[in-house]
Amino acid sequence: GAVVSQHPSWVICKSGTSVKIECRSLDFQATTMFWYRQFPKQSLMLMATSNEGSKATYEQGVEKDKFLINHASLTLSTLTVTSAHPEDSSFYICSARGVDGSAGTNEKLFFGSGTQLSVL
Amino acid sequence: GEDVEQSLFLSVREGDSSVINCTYTDSSSTYLYWYKQEPGAGLQLLTYIFSNMDMKQDQRLTVLLNKKDKHLSLRIADTQTGDSAIYFCAETPNYGQNFVFGPGTRLSVLP
Repeated sequence: GAVVSQHPSWVICKSGTSVKIECRSLDFQATTMFWYRQFPKQSLMLMATSNEGSKATYEQGVEKDKFLINHASLTLSTLTVTSAHPEDSSFYICSARGVDGSAGTNEKLFFGSGTQLSVL
Repeated sequence: GEDVEQSLFLSVREGDSSVINCTYTDSSSTYLYWYKQEPGAGLQLLTYIFSNMDMKQDQRLTVLLNKKDKHLSLRIADTQTGDSAIYFCAETPNYGQNFVFGPGTRLSVLP
């Protein structure tokens, strides 16, 4: 199956610093990538949809100047949490949409392993 | 609007069958998916079913789809402790253009 690599797995930073999270599709080209946020024991909250070469589409209530998304290629999207504060502490998950070719031609979502961000 | 609902918790004993239910709203969903999330990890695609199918079986997993009632279920036979996780169902409205996830069902397997 398709693999999505997300780094780092966890990061601790001081309040006011910026943190960059990378999401790579390793063996397929992703038509679209998505960024989610997940609070403990809660479901996924879609933050933004990222298409290669164009601006990301942010969900209502998500600050685009706070959460910068860059999708420079069909295999890489980055999320930068700018001037992070303790309330930004959360589990961030990326996913990439594509066809893995193993079975069926339908596009599927493949997820990264997530990044636990803790802002002190 | 698009909405996917699931019960939030399910507890079963090891060796029993687990049935996780999901209801969705968009009849244009071409595929419906089940994902598994273990603690501190991303989501893993478990299985999926095409909307014109009623059932799909994959080893211990059986997916049933009632398109008329917009009801999807995942049955796990011979549930093991390693099956303890959160299970998300997802619909794909707009003929597959979007993915909409349910809130997730937390499955606890008791020894």
